[in-house]
Amino acid sequence: SYVLTQPPSVSVAPGKTAKISCGGSNIGSKSVHWYQQKPGQAPLLVVYDDSDRPSGIPERFSGSNSGNAATLTISRVEAGDEADYYCQVWDDNSYVFGTGTQVTVV
Amino acid sequence: DVQLVESGGGLVKPGGSLTLSCAASGFTFSTYNMNWVRQAPGKGLEWVSSISSRNSYIDYADSVKGRFTISRDNAKNSLLLQMDSLRVDDTAVYYCAREDIAAPAFDYWGQGVRVTVSS
Repeated sequence: SYVLTQPPSVSVAPGKTAKISCGGSNIGSKSVHWYQQKPGQAPLLVVYDDSDRPSGIPERFSGSNSGNAATLTISRVEAGDEADYYCQVWDDNSYVFGTGTQVTVV
Repeated sequence: DVQLVESGGGLVKPGGSLTLSCAASGFTFSTYNMNWVRQAPGKGLEWVSSISSRNSYIDYADSVKGRFTISRDNAKNSLLLQMDSLRVDDTAVYYCAREDIAAPAFDYWGQGVRVTVSS
């Protein structure tokens, strides 16, 4: 089965840029989606199809995908961006989630 | 506004059964594929099952295949998950999630319902 690997944690200062990687074999050939999950809440779609944003998601959230890694970039990080982030792809008739990254704003 | 509201969770013994429901509103339910996604305590997200808009396609994660049954009633805007032969490792929060029409991403989620399997 397809595996998506994310770093367990990323720390970033307010106002700086956070980059979260999502590694998978030839992931650049797939569409990658990203979710934000705050404690006690349901996940929220923040980027779909590698780099598109749903309505209401700030432009500070952006995505890219190439080769064996996709990246979610959060610019001008705010305290409210502190959350777990998951990447996701569709592979072999199955929906695969990444291992998740906890973003801490320090 | 799109709303997905799960119900039916609770405590059940290993080997027992439980049926989860998801009530949908604020969109044309019959035109969207629907899914169940779960999250074990302190763990990541795991896709459980998917059903197409017209019931023509159903799929399950290997971990639940043969034990869980997904269904939907488009007339009642409802999604169900029948869970049989429950195991301790089925303990999780179960989310109902709508699949975006244009991409295999989950664009709306319910608040989740907790299922605990324990003796």
